[in-house]
Amino acid sequence: DAGVTQSPTHLIKTRGQQVTLRCSPKSGHDTVSWYQQALGQGPQFIFQYYEEEERQRGNFPDRFSGHQFPNYSSELNVNALLLGDSALYLCASSGGFGSTDTQYFGPGTRLTVL
Amino acid sequence: AQSVAQPEDQVKVAEGNPLTVKCTYSVSGNPYLFWYVQYPNRGLQFLLKYITGDNLVKGSYGFEAEFNKSQTSFHLKKPSALVSDSALYFCAVRGFSWGKFQFGAGTQVVVTP
Repeated sequence: DAGVTQSPTHLIKTRGQQVTLRCSPKSGHDTVSWYQQALGQGPQFIFQYYEEEERQRGNFPDRFSGHQFPNYSSELNVNALLLGDSALYLCASSGGFGSTDTQYFGPGTRLTVL
Repeated sequence: AQSVAQPEDQVKVAEGNPLTVKCTYSVSGNPYLFWYVQYPNRGLQFLLKYITGDNLVKGSYGFEAEFNKSQTSFHLKKPSALVSDSALYFCAVRGFSWGKFQFGAGTQVVVTP
């Protein structure tokens, strides 16, 4: 049973560019959440997708957008990259929106913005 | 507003000694509390959670945590630490009506041989 997978593992971009990160949830999970973890900090919630809709959003600008596909996989898009967007981006999946189910995390995508 | 505090940036213990990592929270209503561990350049691994019921929760790798409602705390414990327990530990809280996790800043655990 595969856990949460993310691609790519690492990514280097320059300021102003756009990036797309991908996530496949754990088998049987239908809810995907995205987090940004800056160096030396705890993960910060970006948004959560359930039934192909954004259900909740953290304090991130509109440059951060996402999508969930019918197979529950998800993408995170970041436009007009800034140096401050450099971070580890984590995807987490769980068994349902608003449930008490545990969120299981993928290994993350390390984004470096130059 | 919901919040989580991990008052110690680092906890250092000798192998075989008990390990405690502290966490306090603030949330409206009943909290759902979680502990995760992160090894270098890795994602977060689930250790244990408190939803309801017994205040002492047992989790993976010999870890346990005690929920204390009056002190709004959820401290992580292990009776006998291993060198391999050296990692970054995160406490997280989740309220009933919202799905996102609020994470603490993390506590670096160092277990010396």
